[in-house]
Amino acid sequence: DAGVIQSPRHEVTEMGQEVTLRCKPISGHDYLFWYRQTMMRGLELLIYFNNNVPIDDSGMPEDRFSAKMPNASFSTLKIQPSEPRDSAVYFCASSIYNEQFFGPGTRLTVL
Amino acid sequence: DQQVKQNSPSLSVQEGRISILNCDYTNSMFDYFLWYKKYPAEGPTFLISISSIKDKNEDGRFTVFLNKSAKHLSLHIVPSQPGDSAVYFCAASAGFNKFYFGSGTKLNVKP
Repeated sequence: DAGVIQSPRHEVTEMGQEVTLRCKPISGHDYLFWYRQTMMRGLELLIYFNNNVPIDDSGMPEDRFSAKMPNASFSTLKIQPSEPRDSAVYFCASSIYNEQFFGPGTRLTVL
Repeated sequence: DQQVKQNSPSLSVQEGRISILNCDYTNSMFDYFLWYKKYPAEGPTFLISISSIKDKNEDGRFTVFLNKSAKHLSLHIVPSQPGDSAVYFCAASAGFNKFYFGSGTKLNVKP
């Protein structure tokens, strides 16, 4: 298996633009997680899905953030409009039991 | 408020010596704990875990200790190797696959 796939690996955008991050989980995994890593707060859980259904989105910082999982093999995290403070590395992870497998991350820079 | 804390942002150890990474948590409902290792430009990878019914779990050079009364866990690496240089995250869960991560400790093992 190729593992969790994230795209793009790097994204540079200007404040106010819409940003869409993509994730393909490991086949057969029924949980999908979106995390954000910053120097100050480490790894923060933003939202997670079970069987494509959002279970807990309490970590989503603002209404500017939204996530979808239209099917078992694809999820998106969208930021609209983006702001400089959204600059971070965003990770997607999937799991079937307790061990989560992380993708390589998307480094987002909002100018 | 962070429920899982890693108070040492960095640690430097000589090759061959023991590395001890510490983690504290506040939620007494946490019953499953993990350590992840992260290299630059990669996602975190699972290292070792421990359930709250145990106080120690060992896997090769890696041992995790859990002190439930102190709400403290630690990761021991013996002997430390230069390839162990990475950022280490501890994580805790009270079930339902939702994990809370610490902010990470950057370990540098000097040759």
